[in-house]
Amino acid sequence: EDQVTQSPEALRLQEGESSSLNCSYTVSGLRGLFWYRQDPGKGPEFLFTLYSAGEEKEKERLKATLTKKESFLHITAPKPEDSATYLCAAYGGSQGNLIFGKGTKLSVKP
Amino acid sequence: EAQVTQNPRYLITVTGKKLTVTCSQNMNHEYMSWYRQDPGLGLRQIYYSMNVEVTDKGDVPEGYKVSRKEKRNFPLILESPSPNQTSLYFCASSPRAGWTDTQYFGPGTRLTVL
Repeated sequence: EDQVTQSPEALRLQEGESSSLNCSYTVSGLRGLFWYRQDPGKGPEFLFTLYSAGEEKEKERLKATLTKKESFLHITAPKPEDSATYLCAAYGGSQGNLIFGKGTKLSVKP
Repeated sequence: EAQVTQNPRYLITVTGKKLTVTCSQNMNHEYMSWYRQDPGLGLRQIYYSMNVEVTDKGDVPEGYKVSRKEKRNFPLILESPSPNQTSLYFCASSPRAGWTDTQYFGPGTRLTVL
């Protein structure tokens, strides 16, 4: 069964304390791995797309990486405004659709 | 401004009373989709549309209907809502259906069925 699993479910960091969020996937024929940010009560906002193992993308304090089994979202020196739920989604699988993980809720304290 | 809009943003209704949630995009996107988001379950796809007059079921289509008569609009219809359809609903669109295309999400509709 095609599946996307994110860990941890919740992560609390102090401002400036770097860490990583994990997204492991079992999706046949992966065609793309997406990261979204979601603020409370709002729709997901696109961050990155990764297409092949070894690929990396960066945006401000965020860097996404991809291997054949998982993706990581690295957050360097986070700030309180980085607090949000981060969603991972894989495109592919037997149905050829976007499969979402349940998200990691990140809280960054000043 | 390029955007996906949904209406209403909040809705409280009673069991069995038909309702429609509208979704509109101004980006000339071919692909549109509806999701529901529930605590502990994440985002699940309800229906999607590859283009005008082309719709198909997602993972959780039971109790929902959609139509795509115009490219910009993709309404979600609940003919006889039940309490288990209480959820946060998102409409999304992308230029085409495919791995190269990012989906852009609307602001969400919070539905409560009593």
